[in-house]
Amino acid sequence: EDQVTQSPEALRLQEGESSSLNCSYTVSGLRGLFWYRQDPGKGPEFLFTLYSAGEEKEKERLKATLTKKESFLHITAPKPEDSATYLCAVVYNTNAGKSTFGDGTTLTVKP
Amino acid sequence: DTEVTQTPKHLVMGMTNKKSLKCEQHMGHRAMYWYKQKAKKPPELMFVYSYEKLSINESVPSRFSPECPNSSLLNLHLHALQPEDSALYLCASSQRPQGGATDTQYFGPGTRLTVL
Repeated sequence: EDQVTQSPEALRLQEGESSSLNCSYTVSGLRGLFWYRQDPGKGPEFLFTLYSAGEEKEKERLKATLTKKESFLHITAPKPEDSATYLCAVVYNTNAGKSTFGDGTTLTVKP
Repeated sequence: DTEVTQTPKHLVMGMTNKKSLKCEQHMGHRAMYWYKQKAKKPPELMFVYSYEKLSINESVPSRFSPECPNSSLLNLHLHALQPEDSALYLCASSQRPQGGATDTQYFGPGTRLTVL
């Protein structure tokens, strides 16, 4: 069965404490994996798109990586303003035309 | 510019009312989407328009009626909603229908709908 699973469900970090969020997928024919950040009551904000295993992308304190089974969103020296829910979404051959979202990881960074 | 705008930001309506949500993008995108999002859940796809034609309807009740008047505008007409329809309604657009290399979805800020 096609699945997208994010872990952990919630993550609490101290400011400056680096960590990683995971998005694992069991789908046939990955076409793209997308990371979004969502603040409460707002729309998801696009962060990264990854298309093939081995690909990496960086933006400020965030780095996204992709393997054949999972993607990681690494957060280096996080700040309180990085607190948000991080969503991953996958487009694959049998759901072409739409994204399948994971349930998200809610990150809280304490000063 | 990757902006998708939505109006209104908030909407309160009774179960007998008729209202509409509006979404606009000027990025030249040819695919537009409506999502429903409940608290602490991921967005749930409702409709996809591809080149102004409805291409995906995720078995949404007929009290939700989408419309795409042109390539920049997307409406969601609401009629006889139920309290359980209260949610954040998100619009998104992508350059083409998803499946290709450039087809990242960009989301609007959403409309917070409350049905009394």
